[in-house]
Amino acid sequence: RKEVEQDPGPFNVPEGATVAFNCTYSNSASQSFFWYRQDCRKEPKLLMSVYSSGNEDGRFTAQLNRASQYISLLIRDSKLSDSATYLCVVIAYSGAGSYQLTFGKGTKLSVIP
Amino acid sequence: EAQVTQNPRYLITVTGKKLTVTCSQNMNHEYMSWYRQDPGLGLRQIYYSMNVEVTDKGDVPEGYKVSRKEKRNFPLILESPSPNQTSLYFCASQEYRGTDTQYFGPGTRLTVL
Repeated sequence: RKEVEQDPGPFNVPEGATVAFNCTYSNSASQSFFWYRQDCRKEPKLLMSVYSSGNEDGRFTAQLNRASQYISLLIRDSKLSDSATYLCVVIAYSGAGSYQLTFGKGTKLSVIP
Repeated sequence: EAQVTQNPRYLITVTGKKLTVTCSQNMNHEYMSWYRQDPGLGLRQIYYSMNVEVTDKGDVPEGYKVSRKEKRNFPLILESPSPNQTSLYFCASQEYRGTDTQYFGPGTRLTVL
């Protein structure tokens, strides 16, 4: 089983739709989780951190399910500008300041007019 | 402006010709990393550095070298590039440990003929 898995998509959704992505991880010792956004041929940029209690930032909601080992990202009222690839990041600490950071391969979202 | 810079942004070279990709950050961050991104494989960490003179291998270190003589700079060295190192490379920095936001440079697109 791969360490961090995402459905590659593409997810093609109409403007205004609600869309959700999941990211599963295999290392039960993982402790930190993030969602990054990457536009075509650009660098990844942090979208939001994922907290245990779930967190919301405007139209975006991130949730963590430790029991089932996945994180999710929900986008409400999709905009054309939301079209991008969404990468999940999972971090597991191994002590003495070392950590293993793993990116998912990303889920591509296209919002259609 | 807080930023991570990389140079060159684009490079076409030939097999075996040593090259260096520079990375510099102006945020006084301790952690810096190098990634490569390939279609279907996502972002994979090459090397990372926890502080000056402290570096460690990531997931795909073969064929690469790094150095961290100053806090702000983290060059990536390909002593003898090969075609399988053709890729999009990103440098990233973060303030301290894995829970902090990673800031990515704009990327270097390398082609090895």
